[in-house]
Amino acid sequence: EIVLTQSPGTLSLSPGERATLSCRASQSVSSSYLAWYQQKPGQAPRLLIYGASTRATGIPDRFSGSGSATDFTLTISRLEPEDFAVYYCQQYGTSPITFGGGTKVEIK
Amino acid sequence: EVQLLESGGGLVQPGGSLRLSCAASGFTFSNYAMNWVRQAPGKGLEWVSGISSSGGTTYDADSVKGRFTLSRDNSINTLFLQMNSLRVEDTAVYYCVKPAALAAIGVVRNAFDIWGQGTMVTVSS
Repeated sequence: EIVLTQSPGTLSLSPGERATLSCRASQSVSSSYLAWYQQKPGQAPRLLIYGASTRATGIPDRFSGSGSATDFTLTISRLEPEDFAVYYCQQYGTSPITFGGGTKVEIK
Repeated sequence: EVQLLESGGGLVQPGGSLRLSCAASGFTFSNYAMNWVRQAPGKGLEWVSGISSSGGTTYDADSVKGRFTLSRDNSINTLFLQMNSLRVEDTAVYYCVKPAALAAIGVVRNAFDIWGQGTMVTVSS
């Protein structure tokens, strides 16, 4: 199975700053079938990005995804207070689908 | 409004059984493959099982193969997860999930745009 490694484990930033989250795959992700989710405490995950770079419905344009093959990035251009959460990447190009371990974005 | 509502979680002893249900509304349930994803307390996400739109094909993670059975009843828009021989390591919140229409390339190879609120399963003596 494809192992996804997210870094850093925790990112401490202030509102208004730029956040850059990394997701590295143990082997190439087929056709960039990579998604990003946001999860807040006590809530279910929310789909942000699919196909590596396509924003899901209703997702603000401060969220952007990029990358291919084994290296993917989620960028939040200017952190809003509601963006402090845990972020997961997921590959769905190869069965079984797998998730990364998550990056927590916390208020500095 | 598109909605998934799980039920059936609870406390069970190791070796016991539980049946989870997921009631879907707001979309044509019979058109979509459906899946379960779980999250152990304080941990990340793990895909568990998936079922085709007709119910004719199922897929399971190795960690639950032979113990969990996924089924669906399209006449009542409901998904079921029968969990047998439960282990302590099955303790988790179980989410019922719907694939995003533009990010669905197979029964289980999907990104998920709709998640239920989750139901907690605790396996403990």
